[in-house]
Amino acid sequence: KNQVEQSPQSLIILEGKNCTLQCNYTVSPFSNLRWYKQDTGRGPVSLTIMTFSENTKSNGRYTATLDADTKQSSLHITASQLSDSASYICVVSAVQGAQKLVFGQGTRLTINP
Amino acid sequence: NAGVTQTPKFQVLKTGQSMTLQCAQDMNHEYMSWYRQDPGMGLRLIHYSVGAGITDQGEVPNGYNVSRSTTEDFPLRLLSAAPSQTSVYFCASSYVRVISGNGYTFGSGTRLTVV
Repeated sequence: KNQVEQSPQSLIILEGKNCTLQCNYTVSPFSNLRWYKQDTGRGPVSLTIMTFSENTKSNGRYTATLDADTKQSSLHITASQLSDSASYICVVSAVQGAQKLVFGQGTRLTINP
Repeated sequence: NAGVTQTPKFQVLKTGQSMTLQCAQDMNHEYMSWYRQDPGMGLRLIHYSVGAGITDQGEVPNGYNVSRSTTEDFPLRLLSAAPSQTSVYFCASSYVRVISGNGYTFGSGTRLTVV
């Protein structure tokens, strides 16, 4: 069964600190993996997209890694800011016709001043 | 460039009522889809469309209908609302072949409560 598991479910850190969110998947055949940021009351917004051959991709203070062998991805946030408070969703795309996406449950990140 | 526009943002329905959630995009995306988001669960696909005149069921299609008469619009119809359909609904669009780039564009959501 295609699944995406994220950990932790929630995380609270102080402003300025770094953190890492985890995503494990069993989706096959794998096409790509995306990280989305979802602010409260808003739709998800794409942060990064990674294909099978990519190991690391950065977007400002966000760095995503992908290990296709172990089927794991991480999202590292550097020097966190209050505006980073949001849910972060890992989404894996399977190569099954039209856009088969499998969503993780998300990690709720809270940045405290 | 408005992206994906969903209306209404909030709606309260009584059990048995019907309604249509609207979704429009102005990016000429072929692919449009509807998801529901419930607490503690990932987004689940309700219906999707790969182009005008073409629709297909997703993971949780029961109780919902869709149509795609134009590239821009993809309305979601609740035929007879039930409390189990209380959820936040998101419309998303993309090009059919998404190999790189920003992936999906999501609307801001419709929060639906069925009492």
